[in-house]
Amino acid sequence: SQKIEQNSEALNIQEGKTATLTCNYTNYSPAYLQWYRQDPGRGPVFLLLIRENEKEKRKERLKVTFDTTLKQSLFHITASQPADSATYLCALLLNTDKLIFGTGTRLQVFP
Amino acid sequence: KAGVTQTPRYLIKTRGQQVTLSCSPISGHRSVSWYQQTPGQGLQFLFEYFSETQRNKGNFPGRFSGRQFSNSRSEMNVSTLELGDSALYLCASKDSLGEQYFGPGTRLTVT
Repeated sequence: SQKIEQNSEALNIQEGKTATLTCNYTNYSPAYLQWYRQDPGRGPVFLLLIRENEKEKRKERLKVTFDTTLKQSLFHITASQPADSATYLCALLLNTDKLIFGTGTRLQVFP
Repeated sequence: KAGVTQTPRYLIKTRGQQVTLSCSPISGHRSVSWYQQTPGQGLQFLFEYFSETQRNKGNFPGRFSGRQFSNSRSEMNVSTLELGDSALYLCASKDSLGEQYFGPGTRLTVT
């Protein structure tokens, strides 16, 4: 069956450290992969998009890698801050033009 | 530029009733997608409209329907409501680069 897996348990890290979140998928061949941030009671906010032919993308303190052989994306937040605490969702765009979301990983950055 | 707006923000309905939710995309965006978000299932794709035509559909029963108007505004309708339809319904508009912008959502509670 087709699945997108993200760490279901919350990730707790100390301020200033690098947070690394994982997105694994099976039986999909996505055209691209996106990462979103969602705060409680709010809609997801788009962060980064990486295409299948790109290995890495950066935006300020954010870095995304995409390995289509391993079927995995890693999302890094460097120099993390308490304000980075949120749920982070990965999403795959399929060749049917559907965007399929993972269940998200909750990140908690403590001072 | 104004963001994606959704009305109403909160709604309480009774089983068997029907409900209509509204979404206004970002000006210039012609694609509008609808998602259902629940704690158990995460964010699930309902359907996408582009230039008044349904371009894609998720795996939801026929009780869930939608439409898009010539000004790109979209409505979503759920008939014969069930308790399991209680969820956060999110609308998103997409730009030409594939970046998706979500609204704040409508919290529907079915009693």
